[in-house]
Amino acid sequence: KQEVTQIPAALSVPEGENLVLNCSFTDSAIYNLQWFRQDPGKGLTSLLLIQSSQREQTSGRLNASLDKSSGRSTLYIAASQPGDSATYLCAVRSGSARQLTFGSGTQLTVLP
Amino acid sequence: GAVVSQHPSRVICKSGTSVKIECRSLDFQATTMFWYRQFPKQSLMLMATSNEGSKATYEQGVEKDKFLINHASLTLSTLTVTSAHPEDSSFYICSASKGGTTGELFFGEGSRLTVL
Repeated sequence: KQEVTQIPAALSVPEGENLVLNCSFTDSAIYNLQWFRQDPGKGLTSLLLIQSSQREQTSGRLNASLDKSSGRSTLYIAASQPGDSATYLCAVRSGSARQLTFGSGTQLTVLP
Repeated sequence: GAVVSQHPSRVICKSGTSVKIECRSLDFQATTMFWYRQFPKQSLMLMATSNEGSKATYEQGVEKDKFLINHASLTLSTLTVTSAHPEDSSFYICSASKGGTTGELFFGEGSRLTVL
């Protein structure tokens, strides 16, 4: 059974700082990995999707890497802003049912 | 990105009544949609996988007679919470897969259900 872990559970940084969020998964036989952002009381916004054959994806100030063999992914946020404050969720698609398994998230607070 | 619309965003109902939540993919066709439940300060828990034109696949521990899922078209899936009770109060979120069963997932805004 796939398990996804995110570290740290919470992170508080001053504005302008670069930061890294970590995600690990137990079963490396994945189809893809997706990073999401969730604001309080809202649905999820897709940030980046990395296919199993890819090593990284970039979108603006965000860069996500994938090391499938070691079961790890990182989300790098450059020059953080208060508007980046949210919960960031990592999810992997795996298994015969191709279902998505979520991590418990990292709650990010960027202080002005 | 693609748009998934979920309605209603909030619903309050009396115990014993049924509530229907709709999930629509507005700008793409989705053969597969997923329904999740989220408790406060917790991550999403997959309830069921909804496939267009066939029966939904429920996760272990999810009562299929309690949570009825219908995926009648390529752009609409519905979740009906039957005979709702206070313990069913939760945040329900749907997602639709764009580009096949392993495509990128797009989520609705969620529906907050409160059962009195």
